[in-house]
Amino acid sequence: GAGVSQSPSNKVTEKGKDVELRCDPISGHTALYWYRQRLGQGLEFLIYFQGNSAPDKSGLPSDRFSAERTGESVSTLTIQRTQQEDSAVYLCASKAGRGNQPQHFGDGTRLSIL
Amino acid sequence: GESVGLHLPTLSVQEGDNSIINCAYSNSASDYFIWYKQESGKGPQFIIDIRSNMDKRQGQRVTVLLNKTVKHLSLQIAATQPGDSAVYFCAETREGGAQKLVFGQGTRLTINP
Repeated sequence: GAGVSQSPSNKVTEKGKDVELRCDPISGHTALYWYRQRLGQGLEFLIYFQGNSAPDKSGLPSDRFSAERTGESVSTLTIQRTQQEDSAVYLCASKAGRGNQPQHFGDGTRLSIL
Repeated sequence: GESVGLHLPTLSVQEGDNSIINCAYSNSASDYFIWYKQESGKGPQFIIDIRSNMDKRQGQRVTVLLNKTVKHLSLQIAATQPGDSAVYFCAETREGGAQKLVFGQGTRLTINP
């Protein structure tokens, strides 16, 4: 597709369950980012993938959070044993190359933990 | 950690007027800045960017000004339209490494008819 695609758009789950969020980046974009946005807040960086390099996981808030990406394709963000504090919108962005270029965002997955 | 902040959380202007949204950043090492527009239920949409070797950049109806001396960034929107109503974020990063964006909390711009 033309833009970054994320699924599901909304996810409601019970505390303690695992969830998996999906991101399809813009075709040809080598860099992929995950961010978290709490209600009324700015975005917080979670993780970065660049090609086949080791990901930068410095923003992951706990070991319950993990993400995978194979090559330059789809990425999944997994949250295990969800807590109510995990409720937020999870946004994915992709960027072409390593230089100073804008990141392009999907519309996010709104995650609600009951 | 260092973060990008905004002077005003809300801003209301009359349709057709110009608006200015301000942003302060604290990391003097940042060399790339982006303004994003976010509408309800949507992801941030790129508006305009500027590199640290510039102090002004213009787009269609938008101008970004960068003052590195006082670490200040502003977004000017000319002849505002109802569709400009949204939350606006500035973000900073620096070349090299992950180039993770550091966002402020945003300014909600409301255009009154």
